Amino acid sequence: AQKITQTQPGMFVQEKEAVTLDCTYDTSDPSYGLFWYKQPSSGEMIFLIYQGSYDQQNATEGRYSLNFQKARKSANLVISASQLGDSAMYFCAMREAYNSNFGNEKLTFGTGTRLTIIP
Amino acid sequence: DAEITQSPRHKITETGRQVTLACHQTWNHNNMFWYRQDLGHGLRLIHYSYGVQDTNKGEVSDGYSVSRSNTEDLPLTLESAASSQTSVYFCASSKREIYETQYFGPGTRLLVL
Repeated sequence: AQKITQTQPGMFVQEKEAVTLDCTYDTSDPSYGLFWYKQPSSGEMIFLIYQGSYDQQNATEGRYSLNFQKARKSANLVISASQLGDSAMYFCAMREAYNSNFGNEKLTFGTGTRLTIIP
Repeated sequence: DAEITQSPRHKITETGRQVTLACHQTWNHNNMFWYRQDLGHGLRLIHYSYGVQDTNKGEVSDGYSVSRSNTEDLPLTLESAASSQTSVYFCASSKREIYETQYFGPGTRLLVL
C-alpha cells in the first residue's frame, strides 16, 4: 500500500484564490512527521512546512498552512491568496518513527501535484 | 552561507560506464540522503547515511553505492550505468535532531545512452 497518496496529479487555480492540495498517509507508527516541499520549474526542492503527529495545532508558515486531520490520516496543504509564483510541483512526505531514538529518519514521498496558477 | 551542492549538474554517459555524482554540504549535518526523481514516482530513496562510515540501502539501491568518509560528502556511484538509471538525482542532508527537516541540493540530471 502507498504510504503517501496525492490524488491530484494536476490543479488549475485562479490567482488570489485559496487552494488545497490533498495528501493522505498510511502508518501504524504513533510518532511521525509530515512535510510539504515545493519544486518550481527550476527543479530545486524547497521545504515549506512541517507537522508532527503529536502537535496539537495545525502548522502555519506565512501563506501556507497544513490542515492536519489525524483520524482521517490526512495532511492537506492550504495556500491562501495564491500567486503566480506558486505554480510548481508540490510533494507531501512522511517521516515515520519520528522520535528521539533516531532510528528512522528517512522520508517517503508522494507522487506530487502540479499546481498551475492562472492569471 | 552554509549550503549543499551537487556536481555535475548535468551528465551524459554511456551504458556500462561507472559514474560518480558528488554531494557536498557545509552545514555539518550528520544525515545525508540520495534520492532519484522520475515521472510518476515522486522521489525515491537510494541510499542514506547517519554519519561517517555509516551507509544504508534505501528503496531503490540496486546498481548504486555510496561511501561516507567525512561529514561533508556522500558521493553516489553507479557501478555500471544502465538506461533505467536515467533520472534526476537529489542529495539531501539534515541534522540528527528531532523535528529537523531535510534540505536538498539543486539536483543532477543524468542521461544514460
